Amino acid sequence: AQSVTQLDSQVPVFEEAPVELRCNYSSSVSVYLFWYVQYPNQGLQLLLKYLSGSTLVKGINGFEAEFNKSQTSFHLRKPSVHISDTAEYFCAVSRKNNNDMRFGAGTRLTVKP
Amino acid sequence: GAVVSQHPSWVICKSGTSVKIECRSLDFQATTMFWYRQFPKQSLMLMATSNEGSKATYEQGVEKDKFLINHASLTLSTLTVTSAHPEDSSFYICSASNSGNYGYTFGSGTRLTVV
Repeated sequence: AQSVTQLDSQVPVFEEAPVELRCNYSSSVSVYLFWYVQYPNQGLQLLLKYLSGSTLVKGINGFEAEFNKSQTSFHLRKPSVHISDTAEYFCAVSRKNNNDMRFGAGTRLTVKP
Repeated sequence: GAVVSQHPSWVICKSGTSVKIECRSLDFQATTMFWYRQFPKQSLMLMATSNEGSKATYEQGVEKDKFLINHASLTLSTLTVTSAHPEDSSFYICSASNSGNYGYTFGSGTRLTVV
């Protein structure tokens, strides 16, 4: 089965600084990749997804991620963060033609003033 | 866009009672729905995959007799936690797959507290 590793459990950063949240995946077959954001006591909101095509994917709220097949990575980036970006971020993977989605352990992004 | 409604958003129940959580796809037909469980400060763990009109597929270690899943229509799946105990207290989240447009939409989650 596919799996996801988020390398950082917590990432503190100052407001307006750039940020990168790291995600590596493992799968023996082709996959789809996702990043979700979760605010306290809420469900998950999709930031962006990679299904095929261009390896640089742009999402909502100024986030983007790059699919790197050789390094099996899908790191999330934002050039300038805001206080409102403070949340939990989950990387997820699902196999093509298979609906089940597996999540990483999550990265807590804390943006400080 | 696709919307999934999950109810209730929070529930407190006594130990030994059963609780039903509903997951509805409001503007699309969901052939497949998923149920996840999330403990505080942890990731989402897939509990089961629910397919309309057939039995749910449970992940290893999930008790199917305790977590009853029913997916009787293309817009509704329910999760019933039977004979709940304090250790069942958790955040439960559903998601729905729109077969016509690949993607997943998540409900807003249900905070279950068993006292």
